[in-house]
Amino acid sequence: AQKVTQAQTEISVVEKEDVTLDCVYETRDTTYYLFWYKQPPSGELVFLIRRNSFDEQNEISGRYSWNFQKSTSSFNFTITASQVVDSAVYFCALGGTYKYIFGTGTRLKVLA
Amino acid sequence: DTAVSQTPKYLVTQMGNDKSIKCEQNLGHDTMYWYKQDSKKFLKIMFSYNNKELIINETVPNRFSPKSPDKAHLNLHINSLELGDSAVYFCASSIQEGQGEETQYFGPGTRLLVL
Repeated sequence: AQKVTQAQTEISVVEKEDVTLDCVYETRDTTYYLFWYKQPPSGELVFLIRRNSFDEQNEISGRYSWNFQKSTSSFNFTITASQVVDSAVYFCALGGTYKYIFGTGTRLKVLA
Repeated sequence: DTAVSQTPKYLVTQMGNDKSIKCEQNLGHDTMYWYKQDSKKFLKIMFSYNNKELIINETVPNRFSPKSPDKAHLNLHINSLELGDSAVYFCASSIQEGQGEETQYFGPGTRLLVL
């Protein structure tokens, strides 16, 4: 069975703090893809990153970075020096055949 | 230029009514999807279409009927609306889907409220 777990329901940080959002997945596939999406208060789903199971290099994009570890089946997302505009619900997803399996999301609140 | 668009953005209706949500993508993608997001923000696949052909129907009640007149459109018709249908419905599209590798691009969502 395929499953994505985001154990952190809600996280609050003060602006400029670093924050890590956890994502743990389950799959029996040897090749698979993982995604992160951001859902700001306005409601749309914004694509952030796609990672395949063969690429374990960490990725950095500005203040965002992702740590993919196959050994622990985790694909964690870190925001450095958080800003109020980072406040959103963040979803981790596993690519399945003709669908995504989403985690339940982590609501991040960044306080000024 | 909107990549994936949905209409309407908001839909308030009475129980028992029939309503439709339209989705269009201008990305030239082959695969389109409908997802439902409930009040707890949980996102779940409802339908997947590839080249106008239904691929996935994820145990959705048959009051929900998707229709894909062409590759660029995937509409969702809902009959006999129930209170539990209140949710946000997202349309998405991707280049031809294979084994979960393609990035899906989402529309802005349609907020349905059934009274």
